[in-house]
Amino acid sequence: DAGVIQSPRHEVTEMGQEVTLRCKPISGHDYLFWYRQTMMRGLELLIYFNNNVPIDDSGMPEDRFSAKMPNASFSTLKIQPSEPRDSAVYFCASSPGLTERTQYFGPGTRLLVL
Amino acid sequence: SQKIEQNSEALNIQEGKTATLTCNYTNYSPAYLQWYRQDPGRGPVFLLLIRENEKEKRKERLKVTFDTTLKQSLFHITASQPADSATYLCASPGRGGFKTIFGAGTRLFVKA
Repeated sequence: DAGVIQSPRHEVTEMGQEVTLRCKPISGHDYLFWYRQTMMRGLELLIYFNNNVPIDDSGMPEDRFSAKMPNASFSTLKIQPSEPRDSAVYFCASSPGLTERTQYFGPGTRLLVL
Repeated sequence: SQKIEQNSEALNIQEGKTATLTCNYTNYSPAYLQWYRQDPGRGPVFLLLIRENEKEKRKERLKVTFDTTLKQSLFHITASQPADSATYLCASPGRGGFKTIFGAGTRLFVKA
């Protein structure tokens, strides 16, 4: 398996623009997670899905952030409008859903909002 | 609220020595703890899991302990190598649902 795939790997945009991050989880995994990582706050869970249904979005910072999972092999995280404080590395991870919750992370998208 | 704390100071050791990293948790009793490795520019990679009823777990040069009295897990790398240089994250299940809480990580540097 190719592992979790994320695109783009790097994104530079200007404040106010819309940003869309994409993720393809490992086939057969029932859970998908979106995280944000910064030096100050570490790895923060934004939202997670089970069988394509959003289960917990309490980590989504504000209404500017939205996430969708239209099918088992694709998810998006959208920021509209983007702000400089959104600059971070965004990781997507998937898990087979076993009781021990091991997660498999993608390579991340490094976002810079100018 | 649930909290996982790792030493934010980087750990510098000489090749061949044993590296020991600490993970402390407060305000809850996780059923297990996980350790992940993260290299610069990459996502975390799962290494080991230890359950609350296990005192110790080993995998090659890695050893993890879980002390429920001290509310602490120790992660050891024996005969450390420069290739072991990375950030190591401790993680535990969050309350409810399928959440995982990650510590901030400890950066390890192994000098040749």
